[in-house]
Amino acid sequence: EVQLLESGGGLVLPGGSLRLSCAASGFTVSSSAMSWVRQAPGKGLEWVSIITGNGRDTYYTDSVKGRFTISRDRSKNTLYLQMNSLRAEDTAVYYCAKYIEWKDYMDVWGKGTTVTVSS
Amino acid sequence: QSVLTQPPSVSAAPGQKVTISCSGSSTNIGNKFVSWYQQLPGTAPKLLIYENNKRPSGIPDRFSGSKSGTSATLGITGLQTGDEADYYCGTWDTSLSDAVFGGGTKLTVL
Repeated sequence: EVQLLESGGGLVLPGGSLRLSCAASGFTVSSSAMSWVRQAPGKGLEWVSIITGNGRDTYYTDSVKGRFTISRDRSKNTLYLQMNSLRAEDTAVYYCAKYIEWKDYMDVWGKGTTVTVSS
Repeated sequence: QSVLTQPPSVSAAPGQKVTISCSGSSTNIGNKFVSWYQQLPGTAPKLLIYENNKRPSGIPDRFSGSKSGTSATLGITGLQTGDEADYYCGTWDTSLSDAVFGGGTKLTVL
């Protein structure tokens, strides 16, 4: 069965850092396009980042460019999101999802991990 | 302000039909596939429709999708109370080089 499981969320001070992990089973993360999507409390879905299947390209929403980095580990079959210089507005549930390139949809989603940025 | 525009809410009685619209532009819906996601309360989003009108395995045929020009529509027939959820459209925007979602539509089954 294809599954995704996020971890690494928590409470962090403004300006701090966190690394989210997304462990995959049933498919290979390193050969799949993968994405992060977040949802602030009471708000809609917001796409955050994508890494292409071949790993050559990464994309970020403007508000996180220069602060967040998406990456993956072939040996651990895991996707990551390194988040630096965190702001209150980054508070959200973060979901990882498998992204189908060229067809532009996300077919498998994790259950999410909560990030709270607050002093 | 979302790149894709959805109505904030729709409602209908059990057994009835409802449609949810998603309006975009030539740089997103106009030349890309549209997908739809269902988010039940307190849960993660789930893929409902992909490539404009295709249903993943396990999604009942009560759910349908269509696209015309720069707009897309999700249709749900035979409404059930279990369909109460938030629904999001999504696609890729070639001008922004971003994946984009609509603001979401809350479906209430009265």
